[in-house]
Amino acid sequence: DTGVSQNPRHKITKRGQNVTFRCDPISEHNRLYWYRQTLGQGPEFLTYFQNEAQLEKSRLLSDRFSAERPKGSFSTLEIQRTEQGDSAMYLCASSQALYGYTFGSGTRLTVV
Amino acid sequence: KNEVEQSPQNLTAQEGEFITINCSYSVGISALHWLQQHPGGGIVSLFMLSSGKKKHGRLIATINIQEKHSSLHITASHPRDSAVYICAVYNFGNEKLTFGTGTRLTIIP
Repeated sequence: DTGVSQNPRHKITKRGQNVTFRCDPISEHNRLYWYRQTLGQGPEFLTYFQNEAQLEKSRLLSDRFSAERPKGSFSTLEIQRTEQGDSAMYLCASSQALYGYTFGSGTRLTVV
Repeated sequence: KNEVEQSPQNLTAQEGEFITINCSYSVGISALHWLQQHPGGGIVSLFMLSSGKKKHGRLIATINIQEKHSSLHITASHPRDSAVYICAVYNFGNEKLTFGTGTRLTIIP
């Protein structure tokens, strides 16, 4: 197992376009988390899954954001009608127990 | 006021110096992470603590639950230690981490 994998590493998109990011967690991890990090700030929680169930969503996750984990394995995060304020690093992490996160390398989104 | 505060925000030191980064939090926690983030974004977990002290190589992390304070120390610092160090906490009954804003460490050869 190579850890938590995120694709793409970088995405540049025009304002108004839709984008989708993928996260492949460590295979035996049942918890998967999405965080967003803007420049100079610590990551902020977006949402998390236990298996395929989305158990919590942050108020940061507006109607334009949707996340899925259809089979309890990989997860996708889609942003519709992107805005410049969506430019950030999107981080995925997974864990088996309550503690012990493993982070991916992130997807850096730039909206132009 | 953020639930997790780190100090200093930026730290520049000469190679070989002893480094201390501090983290204070205002909520009850069940555990605390120290994380390292290099340019490019990937985050690596250095330590997870719920009490006492942990050591790994030149890195030492301590936590005082009563004072709601943790420190990360680096002995014999090296330019490859240059990174952003982030403190993050698990609140009681909460599965998600709350992060500090990070400390940018630069070690000069």
